[in-house]
Amino acid sequence: DGGITQSPKYLFRKEGQNVTLSCEQNLNHDAMYWYRQDPGQGLRLIYYSQIVNDFQKGDIAEGYSVSREKKESFPLTVTSAQKNPTAFYLCASSIASQGAQPQHFGDGTRLSIL
Amino acid sequence: GQQVMQIPQYQHVQEGEDFTTYCNSSTTLSNIQWYKQRPGGHPVFLIQLVKSGEVKKQKRLTFQFGEAKKNSSLHITATQTTDVGTYFCAGPQTSYDKVIFGPGTSLSVIP
Repeated sequence: DGGITQSPKYLFRKEGQNVTLSCEQNLNHDAMYWYRQDPGQGLRLIYYSQIVNDFQKGDIAEGYSVSREKKESFPLTVTSAQKNPTAFYLCASSIASQGAQPQHFGDGTRLSIL
Repeated sequence: GQQVMQIPQYQHVQEGEDFTTYCNSSTTLSNIQWYKQRPGGHPVFLIQLVKSGEVKKQKRLTFQFGEAKKNSSLHITATQTTDVGTYFCAGPQTSYDKVIFGPGTSLSVIP
């Protein structure tokens, strides 16, 4: 079945440590997105990519980095510069390079600070 | 910048009652999308409206896009416990823009 796979489901980070969240899709979608969701809150866009080897900052990109070397993969690194990383991270993709298409989401990764 | 707001933030209803959530954008939208997120889950796409004044139905759910394409509503008739979750609206400014999500309306259904 086609879909978006995020791993790991749960992740713990130590102070000063960088961690990378994986997102893989086999839907042949052009665009991919990373969102952060805090408890009881909406989705805030971190980064998005409309094509391989290109990506743009979203509303809360500080302390995060991404790469898009392959169409299927859009990993997110939470760096030590992100002082409050505890949140639910959601990866999504859409069918066309235009951002207006409906988005398909992965199951998410819950990141906590040790 | 563009803002998308939703009201109410929370809604508690008795099973069988109706429910409506409203979505308002500070700018005109090329389309509006609605998503549902069950507790502990991820957002799932429900529907997309494109035309001014458009109304679409999915069983007990009715979605409407305003004439000015700046607001939308989701109405659920005779709620069931399976309707529990947070409903998000989302829309781009143009067909080539990233999508902006509203803060969501959390629905609780009391059996």
